[in-house]
Amino acid sequence: GNSVTQMEGPVTLSEEAFLTINCTYTATGYPSLFWYVQYPGEGLQLLLKATKADDKGSNKGFEATYRKETTSFHLEKGSVQVSDSAVYFCALSDDYKLSFGAGTTVTVRA
Amino acid sequence: DSGVTQTPKHLITATGQRVTLRCSPRSGDLSVYWYQQSLDQGLQFLIQYYNGEERAKGNILERFSAQQFPDLHSELNLSSLELGDSALYFCASSTTRENIQYFGAGTRLSVL
Repeated sequence: GNSVTQMEGPVTLSEEAFLTINCTYTATGYPSLFWYVQYPGEGLQLLLKATKADDKGSNKGFEATYRKETTSFHLEKGSVQVSDSAVYFCALSDDYKLSFGAGTTVTVRA
Repeated sequence: DSGVTQTPKHLITATGQRVTLRCSPRSGDLSVYWYQQSLDQGLQFLIQYYNGEERAKGNILERFSAQQFPDLHSELNLSSLELGDSALYFCASSTTRENIQYFGAGTRLSVL
């Protein structure tokens, strides 16, 4: 079945550092890919998405590119802030459900 | 604010009991999804309803059931609760046009 493998955390960074969280997927067909973020004590928020190969999703300085050849959807941000501290989930969508990675906890220190 | 409302935010109960979690989807969304988030299993899809009908089932236990009402709100019923059912339960909704699920803030269930 479809699955997502996500870089394990936790990740601790200093402010203004570069962030990369790796995500690879296994799927039949061409699923849509997502990054969701969960801030402390809150629900999941959609961060960005891509629906086909070579699409780049971007939001709030975060970017991820749908790479069919490497079955990857890595999340990047060039300069993180303390407010980016959260748990990040990579997910793929088939017809009816989202399959999530295990989540990566990111802590940004001032 | 995603527009998806879940109540209650927290629920504390004892083993063997039954609870009901409620979800109001975003205005106009016909699909409702339920997910369970636990430390050992991560985020797992439980069930989907579309316009009142069950559309798909995931890793949902037989002790759990759900329904979607004519006003499109949904309830997840958990019975004969066990310690291992302690988790965060999320509801999400989506339209048919857009393949994006919007999540509520979740209900944290603690079974003691």
